[in-house]
Amino acid sequence: EPEVTQTPSHQVTQMGQEVILRCVPISNHLYFYWYRQILGQKVEFLVSFYNNEISEKSEIFDDQFSVERPDGSNFTLKIRSTKLEDSAMYFCASSAAQGVYEQYFGPGTRLTVT
Amino acid sequence: AQSVTQPDIHITVSEGASLELRCNYSYGATPYLFWYVQSPGQGLQLLLKYFSGDTLVQGIKGFEAEFKRSQSSFNLRKPSVHWSDAAEYFCAVQDSSYKLIFGSGTRLLVRP
Repeated sequence: EPEVTQTPSHQVTQMGQEVILRCVPISNHLYFYWYRQILGQKVEFLVSFYNNEISEKSEIFDDQFSVERPDGSNFTLKIRSTKLEDSAMYFCASSAAQGVYEQYFGPGTRLTVT
Repeated sequence: AQSVTQPDIHITVSEGASLELRCNYSYGATPYLFWYVQSPGQGLQLLLKYFSGDTLVQGIKGFEAEFKRSQSSFNLRKPSVHWSDAAEYFCAVQDSSYKLIFGSGTRLLVRP
């Protein structure tokens, strides 16, 4: 069964460093999402992406964040200058279309900022 | 604003006992509702979803959920819990821009 994959599974970085989290969505999916979950808190939407453009972003997704689909398979989330409060589990998701289509989630990348 | 409330942070049940996890939503239009499960160190796996039609929906792993519009609820149930069901369960509503809005989750512990 096709699945969403994410790398790395765990990333440790120092405050102020740039990180890139990588996702490979399901191959025929067209809509891509990033969510995050700070330890002990709920899963929160960050950004949605379609047709090489951001469709929607949350207030969390400030200028320090960017997303890119550099080729036909990868979908990346970049944090330019990490802060302690960026420590969280980051989930990538994809769906075949919008509307009544489920989003399939990857296993997540745990980001620890020290 | 749309929101999802899961009033129980933790629930402990004995193996073989029945289970009900509560979920209440706030959404103006017809909601699209989901239950996801997250096992330790794992991603979010979809258990079931409600879009329209029959208000009792069946999912994987023997789970079911009932949509009750009058109560703004979408409670998850299982008649007999297995030890492998121990995990965190998230209820979510899909908003008009198709992003998911999650509840805070309920951690299920299963007593042997």
